[in-house]
Amino acid sequence: SQTIHQWPATLVQPVGSPLSLECTVEGTSNPNLYWYRQAAGRGLQLLFYSIGIDQISSEVPQNLSASRPQDRQFILSSKKLLLSDSGFYLCAWSAGVRYDYGYTFGSGTRLTVV
Amino acid sequence: AQKVTQAQTEISVVEKEDVTLDCVYETRDTTYYLFWYKQPPSGELVFLIRRNSFDEQNEISGRYSWNFQKSTSSFNFTITASQVVDSAVYFCALSAATSGGSYIPTFGRGTSLIVHP
Repeated sequence: SQTIHQWPATLVQPVGSPLSLECTVEGTSNPNLYWYRQAAGRGLQLLFYSIGIDQISSEVPQNLSASRPQDRQFILSSKKLLLSDSGFYLCAWSAGVRYDYGYTFGSGTRLTVV
Repeated sequence: AQKVTQAQTEISVVEKEDVTLDCVYETRDTTYYLFWYKQPPSGELVFLIRRNSFDEQNEISGRYSWNFQKSTSSFNFTITASQVVDSAVYFCALSAATSGGSYIPTFGRGTSLIVHP
């Protein structure tokens, strides 16, 4: 069966420090991968998505970046965190291109920038 | 552009009451998918249901039921005889194919359901 792992679960970082959040999927190949951020208002904001190892699309301009060093690994990074980067970050994966079978989410990372 | 509106920000009910969560969507695509997800206090999003645009059949799963109406662009979710464990934030989502053929979901802002004992 497929599983998705996301870590760390919580993170407290000072302003200006770097960030690296990791997400890996097991039990499938060539998954579509997504990074979402959920701020205090509860809505889910799509940050990045990737439909292949060399294809990463950014939805929102910001000081965050994403990389996919391996087929089932998706990393969210920042060189210098801002206070506004605080939030709950969720990684998700989905299968297929012609059909949408739904999205499976990781357990999330709660980031607090202080 | 796709849009999902969950007009109810928060709903508070007493246990055993029925409750309906509204979801209205906008899309120009003829092929699309609709979803409901549950986010309990732990934070992880849990998949509840998927429906494609060609399947307007309503669905019932235990105490949960979903009413999909293309005529009103709505995909409402009803919980019958609510329980305290139903307390969570519920998200409605819509996805349609991009020009590259992949599906990107758009989520509503969520409805917080609080079930009091």
